[in-house]
Amino acid sequence: GAVVSQHPSWVICKSGTSVKIECRSLDFQATTMFWYRQFPKQSLMLMATSNEGSKATYEQGVEKDKFLINHASLTLSTLTVTSAHPEDSSFYICSADPALEETQYFGPGTRLLVL
Amino acid sequence: DAKTTQPPSMDCAEGRAANLPCNHSTISGNEYVYWYRQIHSQGPQYIIHGLKNNETNEMASLIITEDRKSSTLILPHATLRDTAVYYCIVRVVGAQKLVFGQGTRLTINP
Repeated sequence: GAVVSQHPSWVICKSGTSVKIECRSLDFQATTMFWYRQFPKQSLMLMATSNEGSKATYEQGVEKDKFLINHASLTLSTLTVTSAHPEDSSFYICSADPALEETQYFGPGTRLLVL
Repeated sequence: DAKTTQPPSMDCAEGRAANLPCNHSTISGNEYVYWYRQIHSQGPQYIIHGLKNNETNEMASLIITEDRKSSTLILPHATLRDTAVYYCIVRVVGAQKLVFGQGTRLTINP
């Protein structure tokens, strides 16, 4: 199957700082990528759909000014958590659909801890 | 997207077949059934998907009832590494969103 990577795999930051998470499709191009968040013992929640060359589409209740998404190329999307607070601590996961496939592939996730 | 219902947890003995049920009674004709699993602290892993015919790959088999209102994921010879949360998701053909429910926590016991 197709491979999606994320960097970093984990990050610890101080409250008030910004953190950038990268999502890359390694062996395919993706015009659309997705960002999910997962709290402990809960399921994945879709945060936003990242569209190459255009603005992201955010799910209801997700602050677009806090979670900045940039999809500058067909293989890279970034999620920046701005002015992070402890409640933003979570597991962030991205995914992507290869063109002409019916399957979505997920990255390994990034664990964020805000102190 | 149609909703799915799965048992919250199941146990299975190592080496036996694990049969995970999923109810999707409101599924539409253009919706696929997808199965993913998530091993602790990892991203979800694609397992299999189907529209109306039964499907098999190197990981599992997917059995969809004739009325498409339910399906069963079969892991033919479960190992300890199959311990994970298994998600059954329905998704419209051509749509992109995957909406995750609570899934089934499958524990494989030695």
